[in-house]
Amino acid sequence: DVKVTQSSRYLVKRTGEKVFLECVQDMDHENMFWYRQDPGLGLRLIYFSYDVKMKEKGDIPEGYSVSREKKERFSLILESASTNQTSMYLCASSRAPVGQYFGPGTRLTVL
Amino acid sequence: QKEVEQNSGPLSVPEGAIASLNCTYSDRVSQSFFWYRQYSGKSPELIMSIYSNGDKEDGRFTAQLNKASQYVSLLIRDSQPSDSATYLCAVPLLRRANSKLTFGKGITLSVRP
Repeated sequence: DVKVTQSSRYLVKRTGEKVFLECVQDMDHENMFWYRQDPGLGLRLIYFSYDVKMKEKGDIPEGYSVSREKKERFSLILESASTNQTSMYLCASSRAPVGQYFGPGTRLTVL
Repeated sequence: QKEVEQNSGPLSVPEGAIASLNCTYSDRVSQSFFWYRQYSGKSPELIMSIYSNGDKEDGRFTAQLNKASQYVSLLIRDSQPSDSATYLCAVPLLRRANSKLTFGKGITLSVRP
């Protein structure tokens, strides 16, 4: 079975803090993704990576950066957290052409 | 036209009925199609993939694809209360490369005991 894990299920941070969300997959997938999910807005792609050290902006990259130093690990960084970044963050991985497999999600609250 | 559109919900069916969930997409050259189930507070779970026209059955679930009409559906037979969830349709729109998926907004299904 594919396993995608995320570093935290729940996280509370203060405005202006730097936040790191980590994602690890164990299936040697080349593609990894970060989404956020908000009520009424659905899943929105923040960044994705199709290889180590490669990254590409998704639909809403502003305020975020990513890092992929190893194939199995993809990190999302909030440089200076703001209240409008309170959301559910979901990591996923895939190997084309099959669908993506999601981690359990991190519910981030920024106060 | 939205890239991936799911008919508006929520959808409520009685236990034992057939639930029909529909999805249309805009890119004529899309080759693969996915259905995800998401329980409240949980992450999406891949439940069906379909790549060619026609039907694909997996237990109580049937995915139907009609590429000419740009339409994919999910039928759930003998619906159970445990099927109550939000169902997301996802399509890799090929003008976007590298397995990026575009997700519909989802439709919430409620199965009444």
